[in-house]
Amino acid sequence: DAKTTQPNSMESNEEEPVHLPCNHSTISGTDYIHWYRQLPSQGPEYVIHGLTSNVNNRMASLAIAEDRKSSTLILHRATLRDAAVYYCILRDRLELIFGQGTELSVKP
Amino acid sequence: EAGVAQSPRYKIIEKRQSVAFWCNPISGHATLYWYQQILGQGPKLLIQFQNNGVVDDSQLPKDRFSAERLKGVDSTLKIQPAKLEDSAVYLCASSSIAGSYEQYFGPGTRLTVT
Repeated sequence: DAKTTQPNSMESNEEEPVHLPCNHSTISGTDYIHWYRQLPSQGPEYVIHGLTSNVNNRMASLAIAEDRKSSTLILHRATLRDAAVYYCILRDRLELIFGQGTELSVKP
Repeated sequence: EAGVAQSPRYKIIEKRQSVAFWCNPISGHATLYWYQQILGQGPKLLIQFQNNGVVDDSQLPKDRFSAERLKGVDSTLKIQPAKLEDSAVYLCASSSIAGSYEQYFGPGTRLTVT
């Protein structure tokens, strides 16, 4: 299974941008990069996904390196509600294989 | 649109007892997943259903865990007998089609085995 590497934790200030990195050096050509997040005491929720090009949606932006060996999830203005564990996942066939994720804390 | 419903939200049992969890997916979603999330780890897939058929149960400990999805809608996950290491949050998720990029998760059932 293709694996991802993320920092265990990151800290951000409220209303500032946050860049969450993910390394996936063994990514294959057909692997999509997915991001999910899990707020405290809740199930994970989908954030964004992409294959090669950068992607934007109402929640976040996804910047994918040209060689696809790394990607960055960008939250443009962090709020207290964005405090969560963020998972970077390479979709393996039909499954989502979650790693440890990055625990993001947001300071007011 | 109603989300994925799970019950109970919390359950405490003694080891060697049995327990069952229930999941009602989003209406119309053909694919249903059960995950186990041990404290401090990411969720791990236990079983995936497509309608009422099993697509993947390779990580389900079949000596003690069982799951069914009768009529292709609701699903039940059972553990019998429970062990201490089964203490975890059990998450149910659904998606409209198999391989869909977006899975919708329920709030989970927190199981404590004493």
